[in-house]
Amino acid sequence: DAGVTQSPTHLIKTRGQQVTLRCSPKSGHDTVSWYQQALGQGPQFIFQYYEEEERQRGNFPDRFSGHQFPNYSSELNVNALLLGDSALYLCASSLGASGGALNEQFFGPGTRLTVL
Amino acid sequence: QKEVEQDPGPLSVPEGAIVSLNCTYSNSAFQYFMWYRQYSRKGPELLMYTYSSGNKEDGRFTAQVDKSSKYISLFIRDSQPSDSATYLCAVISGYSTLTFGKGTMLLVSP
Repeated sequence: DAGVTQSPTHLIKTRGQQVTLRCSPKSGHDTVSWYQQALGQGPQFIFQYYEEEERQRGNFPDRFSGHQFPNYSSELNVNALLLGDSALYLCASSLGASGGALNEQFFGPGTRLTVL
Repeated sequence: QKEVEQDPGPLSVPEGAIVSLNCTYSNSAFQYFMWYRQYSRKGPELLMYTYSSGNKEDGRFTAQVDKSSKYISLFIRDSQPSDSATYLCAVISGYSTLTFGKGTMLLVSP
């Protein structure tokens, strides 16, 4: 089992550009969540995808969008990049269930995005 | 007020010491309390979790929740250099979404 994989590992972009990050969930998992981790901070929830729909969203602007494919893999897109978008972007997968239940999330190694 | 507060450290201890890591949270409705460990250049991995109040022990690690004071603790006994990492506390809400503290960097010196 390869676990959660993310690509690319590192990425350098300039302000105003657009970026797409990719995530493949752990085998058997159908839910993907994305988190942003700025330097020296804990991860912050961006959004969660389940059954190819955005099920829940954190406090992030519309510049952040995503997609989930029928094979459960997911993409995170960020438009009009700002310097403040520089961070480690983490993908976590889990088995979907109703709200309130504990479903362990397994994290990938992340994509380090630098915006110049 | 942030939902989860955690002292970022760093916390530096000698090998063999007992380590105490702490967080506070604001919403009394939270039921699951998690501890993640994150090594440098890696994603967080779940160390252990507790449901509601009480203690949970796993080897050298003990997690404790005091709901009356909204206080979460992680104790590490006989700390090892391999325990050097950032420890993140988190609570669960909604569809198992995680709200993390800032993380405490722990350095265990041989």
